[in-house]
Amino acid sequence: QVQLVQSGSELKKPGASVEVSCKASGYTFTSYAIDWVRQAPGQGLEWMGWINTNTGNPTYAQGFTGRFVFSLDTSVSTAYLQISSLKAEDTAVYYCARHCSGGSCSDYWGQGTLVTVSS
Amino acid sequence: SYVLTQPPSVSVAPGQTARITCGGNNIGSKSVYWYQQKPGQAPVLVVYEDSDRPSGIPERFSGSNSGNTATLTISRVEAGDEADYYCQVWDSSSEHPWVFGGGTKLTVL
Repeated sequence: QVQLVQSGSELKKPGASVEVSCKASGYTFTSYAIDWVRQAPGQGLEWMGWINTNTGNPTYAQGFTGRFVFSLDTSVSTAYLQISSLKAEDTAVYYCARHCSGGSCSDYWGQGTLVTVSS
Repeated sequence: SYVLTQPPSVSVAPGQTARITCGGNNIGSKSVYWYQQKPGQAPVLVVYEDSDRPSGIPERFSGSNSGNTATLTISRVEAGDEADYYCQVWDSSSEHPWVFGGGTKLTVL
């Protein structure tokens, strides 16, 4: 069965960096893009962008350029989200999700990773 | 950028029908997706391409899309349907093409 398993919660200080991992199983990793979605506490869903798992080419949504980096290690079917120069407003749950085949949606989601930025 | 408008909350008694709307300019020309998110859990895709259901989603969940409004309909509502629901579209003309609505809290009375 398709599964996306994310790394655990992180507590970071402002200015630090964090890496969230997303390990996929149950399907051919390079056949589906990986989406990244942010959810701030008590707020709605916000699309951050995606990464083409075949080419490694990332696409970033407006507002997620510069400090946010999507990457892959296809040898272990894992996608990564790196956030640098963390700010308090980066505190959120970050989700990875498998991009739908033939559609602009996410059909399987990771469990989410809470990143807390606090001094 | 493209904006999707959802009511903040909808309430319905068990066994009744819940309708959650998603408004957008000429949304009927786009494919609409719906997600269910229960507290502390990841979202789950419940409707794709306006009205199709992924495998495992009950037939009680259905969708429609026309004009400026898309609607998620949940028939014979159960207590377990209580959740936040988000609509989503892809707007290829926008700098921010993947758009979510603000979400609707469904309360089962």
